[in-house]
Amino acid sequence: GQNIDQPTEMTATEGAIVQINCTYQTSGFNGLFWYQQHAGEAPTFLSYNVLDGLEEKGRFSSFLSRSKGYSYLLLKELQMKDSASYLCAVLDSNYQLIWGAGTKLIIKP
Amino acid sequence: IAGITQAPTSQILAAGRRMTLRCTQDMRHNAMYWYRQDLGLGLRLIHYSNTAGTTGKGEVPDGYSVSRANTDDFPLTLASAVPSQTSAYFCASGGGSSTDTQYFGPGTRLTVL
Repeated sequence: GQNIDQPTEMTATEGAIVQINCTYQTSGFNGLFWYQQHAGEAPTFLSYNVLDGLEEKGRFSSFLSRSKGYSYLLLKELQMKDSASYLCAVLDSNYQLIWGAGTKLIIKP
Repeated sequence: IAGITQAPTSQILAAGRRMTLRCTQDMRHNAMYWYRQDLGLGLRLIHYSNTAGTTGKGEVPDGYSVSRANTDDFPLTLASAVPSQTSAYFCASGGGSSTDTQYFGPGTRLTVL
């Protein structure tokens, strides 16, 4: 079966750095997406990785290792508004997105 | 309108009733998707459409139907609602290329009693 694993919940301090991990086992791989979802709102796109390595976009970076079936989202200089759920999703061999359950990130002052 | 819209925002429905959730996008995206999101579970694909006039089944299609008469609209119909269909429903659209980013509507919160 196909599986995406993320921690259920993480807590971090305002101004700090946090790394949210995602491991996957899917039938094929055509890329990995990270989305942010605030409570009661729609998911919004953060990043897309298809090649190994680190993609940096402002305070957010995303890393991919295809051989390890592993990705992480790194958030720097945390702000209170970063409190949200972060969703990892993998595009499988049929080009369908397989979604993780999401990681709820709680930022404390 | 700009982007992707859904209606209604929320709805309480009696079991057995028929309900259509509306989704409209103005980005001229070829592909559209319907997902449901339940607590503790990832988004699950119900139905999708790669282009106007075509539809396909996702992971959890039973009890739902869709149509894609034109590029902009992609309604989701529950023919006879059941309590297990209580969920948050999100419509999304994408450029149509397999790796295109999907953009989500604000969602419909549906409660079936």
